[in-house]
Amino acid sequence: QKEVEQNSGPLSVPEGAIASLNCTYSDRGSQSFFWYRQYSGKSPELIMFIYSNGDKEDGRFTAQLNKASQYVSLLIRDSQPSDSATYLCAVDDKIIFGKGTRLHILP
Amino acid sequence: KAGVTQTPRYLIKTRGQQVTLSCSPISGHRSVSWYQQTPGQGLQFLFEYFSETQRNKGNFPGRFSGRQFSNSRSEMNVSTLELGDSALYLCASSLLGGRDSPLHFGNGTRLTVT
Repeated sequence: QKEVEQNSGPLSVPEGAIASLNCTYSDRGSQSFFWYRQYSGKSPELIMFIYSNGDKEDGRFTAQLNKASQYVSLLIRDSQPSDSATYLCAVDDKIIFGKGTRLHILP
Repeated sequence: KAGVTQTPRYLIKTRGQQVTLSCSPISGHRSVSWYQQTPGQGLQFLFEYFSETQRNKGNFPGRFSGRQFSNSRSEMNVSTLELGDSALYLCASSLLGGRDSPLHFGNGTRLTVT
């Protein structure tokens, strides 16, 4: 049974700081990793996806993948109140999603 | 380009009834996936359709079924509704499905079973 684990939070981060969200996965053969953001009452929207070991940057967002340790992280630099949301992690076919981490940016 | 469209947005049904939800994917997208989202269980995969064929299925009872039409539009049906079926049902489309295709979600259908 494949599993994707996330800390449910809430994770509280001061405005302007770096928010670090983590996701671990059980299937060592997983190849693609996706981060989605979901605002309360809204549907998930894609933030980033990463396939290769290392870092991938897009604006204030950086995804980090470590296949040896089977985790993927999402870093949000210069956190803004508008980043307050639940962040969902998914792998490969997106059949399994983590339950999400609630992020709260403190003004 | 229009996004994923789900109808209706809200539904209220009583136990024992059946319901059909509709999803129109982004133009050109051939894969449509359905998810159930509840506060306790998070996003749970129901099934994926690609070119009118069910390609993957989650661990839901047979009361949950779906289909995809030749224009890639998809419907999901739930028969003999139970109180526990109250949830947000999300449809997502992707270009080809599979590992490398990101999902694009619709706004969801909020189903309440009384």
